[in-house]
Amino acid sequence: AQSVTQLGSHVSVSEGALVLLRCNYSSSVPPYLFWYVQYPNKGLQLLLKYTSAATLVKGINGFEAEFKKSETSFHLTKPSAHMSDAAEYFCAVSARNQFYFGTGTSLTVIP
Amino acid sequence: EAGVVQSPRYKIIEKKQPVAFWCNPISGHNTLYWYRQNLGQGPELLIRYENEEAVDDSQLPKDRFSAERLKGVDSTLKIQPAELGDSAVYLCASSLSGDYNEQFFGPGTRLTVL
Repeated sequence: AQSVTQLGSHVSVSEGALVLLRCNYSSSVPPYLFWYVQYPNKGLQLLLKYTSAATLVKGINGFEAEFKKSETSFHLTKPSAHMSDAAEYFCAVSARNQFYFGTGTSLTVIP
Repeated sequence: EAGVVQSPRYKIIEKKQPVAFWCNPISGHNTLYWYRQNLGQGPELLIRYENEEAVDDSQLPKDRFSAERLKGVDSTLKIQPAELGDSAVYLCASSLSGDYNEQFFGPGTRLTVL
């Protein structure tokens, strides 16, 4: 079985500061991992995904995530937050045709 | 390229009434998903289709929920009768087959049951 845990349901950062959103997964087989972003009243949009190639994955809007098997983590980072990054972020795991989302982290960017 | 289309965007009904949601996936996407997203939560899978076959409906409350995907393209999700606890956003997504493929999401239908 697969599962995802996102630590911190709300994260606030200052504009220009580092963004770090945490995601830990559990999977009995090598997983595929995803980060999605959801803006208010919009559908989810893929930021990036890990599919067993490079462990450091670069996505859209300057985001990246690193797959760490030893820590079962897939944390999302961005060096410098922008006001437009304020949204809900979801980590997801996929394996054996099972797809699970985390409960989400709401990112607030303070000007 | 057109994205995943859902209708209606908003629906308000009284409890015990029926309601239906429609989804048109991206052309060529074999896999279609219906999710329910409660406020402040992540999406929860209700049902997944591979073409016209429902391959995972383990989380679908079958006493009141039903879904179909005729001809392996459009899909309809129905609730009958609706309960207060069904108030949520219902999301449709589609993808190519395979665990590693990105899911493309529609804007969702926000259901309010009074």
